[in-house]
Amino acid sequence: SQQGEEDPQALSIQEGENATMNCSYKTSINNLQWYRQNSGRGLVHLILIRSNEREKHSGRLRVTLDTSKKSSSLLITASRAADTASYFCATDEGGANNLFFGTGTRLTVIP
Amino acid sequence: GAGVSQTPSNKVTEKGKYVELRCDPISGHTALYWYRQSLGQGPEFLIYFQGTGAADDSGLPNDRFFAVRPEGSVSTLKIQRTERGDSAVYLCASSLTHGYNEQFFGPGTRLTVL
Repeated sequence: SQQGEEDPQALSIQEGENATMNCSYKTSINNLQWYRQNSGRGLVHLILIRSNEREKHSGRLRVTLDTSKKSSSLLITASRAADTASYFCATDEGGANNLFFGTGTRLTVIP
Repeated sequence: GAGVSQTPSNKVTEKGKYVELRCDPISGHTALYWYRQSLGQGPEFLIYFQGTGAADDSGLPNDRFFAVRPEGSVSTLKIQRTERGDSAVYLCASSLTHGYNEQFFGPGTRLTVL
C-alpha cells in the first residue's frame, strides 16, 4: 500500500517559474523524503526532512513539513527544462525504514 | 562501483517461467531494499535485508517471490511461475545502515511477462 499522496498529479509550467508540489500522509513519521524520477527509472534522492524540522533548503529546493496537518510541500524555484520529471514523497510508516511512496507529481517545464 | 547497479536492465519472459533479478548495492551499505513500480504508480516495498538476513519481507505479494543476499552484498530477487501481472520495474536500493536514512536507488530492471 502507498501512504503518501501527491498533489497535483501533473503540473506544467514555463521555464523560470516556480513549481510547488504537495504531499499528504496518514500516520506518524520520523522523516519524509522527496525523490525525483526521470523516464520511469532510477529514483534520485533530493532531500530528507525530519519530523522535528519545519523547513529545509537545498539549492533551488525548499521543503516544508507540517506534522499537525500531516503534509509536506516541495518548492522548486526558477525551474529549468531539466527539472522535468516525476517527483515522489516517501515516508517511513510507524518508524520503519521501508519507504512508502505516493503516486507522484509529473512536472513538465516548458522551455 | 559508485552507485547501485541492477542487471539485467530489461527482461522479457513468458508466463510461467522463472526469472532472477540481480542487485549490486553500494559497497559498505548494510541495508538493501527491493521495490516494485507499476506504470503510473510510486514504488511499492517488497523486502528489506540487513546484512544477510531478510529483516522484513512483508511486501512480497505471494510465495512465488523470494529474495536472497547470501554474503550480505549482492542480492537476487527470484520470481517463480511468472504471471502477466508481475510486469513492472523492479527497483533495488541500499543505505548505509537501517534507520531513517537516505536510500540510494539503482536504475531498475523492467520485467515484461508475455
